[in-house]
Amino acid sequence: GQQVMQIPQYQHVQEGEDFTTYCNSSTTLSNIQWYKQRPGGHPVFLIQLVKSGEVKKQKRLTFQFGEAKKNSSLHITATQTTDVGTYFCVGEYGNKLVFGAGTILRVKS
Amino acid sequence: NAGVTQTPKFRVLKTGQSMTLLCAQDMNHEYMYWYRQDPGMGLRLIHYSVGEGTTAKGEVPDGYNVSRLKKQNFLLGLESAAPSQTSVYFCASRNGPPYGYTFGSGTRLTVV
Repeated sequence: GQQVMQIPQYQHVQEGEDFTTYCNSSTTLSNIQWYKQRPGGHPVFLIQLVKSGEVKKQKRLTFQFGEAKKNSSLHITATQTTDVGTYFCVGEYGNKLVFGAGTILRVKS
Repeated sequence: NAGVTQTPKFRVLKTGQSMTLLCAQDMNHEYMYWYRQDPGMGLRLIHYSVGEGTTAKGEVPDGYNVSRLKKQNFLLGLESAAPSQTSVYFCASRNGPPYGYTFGSGTRLTVV
C-alpha cells in the first residue's frame, strides 16, 4: 500500500539554526499537507501543496513539492523556541490520506 | 467558533469496561475521522465517515465501533476495553479532498 516516509525522526538544533524535514512517497501524490503538533497538543494544519514543483512560504517556513509529486520538504529558517513540536506530512492519494511518522523538533536556547 | 470538540478529555477505564468518545464539529464538514496516536507510531486511522449515516474501517479498526447518526457528530465506542487501547484519540473533520483536517484537542485514555 501507499506509504509516506518522513525523515529525520528527531532533530535537535540550536536556536537560530535552520531545520528541514523531508517526506517521500513511492507513488505519485494528489497533494501533500503539513501539520504541526506542539507537545501535549493536537495537530494543526499548516499548508497544502497541490502543484508539481510548488513552493510556498509562511514567514520563516518554506514548503516545497517535488516535480514528480512524490516528495516534499519543510524548511524552517533561524529556528526559535516557539518552533518546537512534531511536524507531520500527510500524503493524499485520491481519496486516501497517509500520515508520515513525523519529525520531532527540539530547539536549544 | 468551536471547530471540533472532543469529550471527555481524559478517562481511565478498567479492562473490560465500555465507553463512548464523542466528537462534535460545527463547520458543516462532510468527512470525519478517528485517529489514535501512540509514541513512535504516529497517527493511525481507526474509522472514518464520508457523510451522515456512513462509516468505514481504517487502518486499525479492531475493538472499536463508530456511528454517524448526525452530520455534526461522530461517536467512537469501545465495547470491552483492553490495555492495548491506551492511547491518545483524536477526532478530525474536513470537507473532503483536497481540504485539510481540523483536529479536536484529543482524549487521553488509559486502560488499566
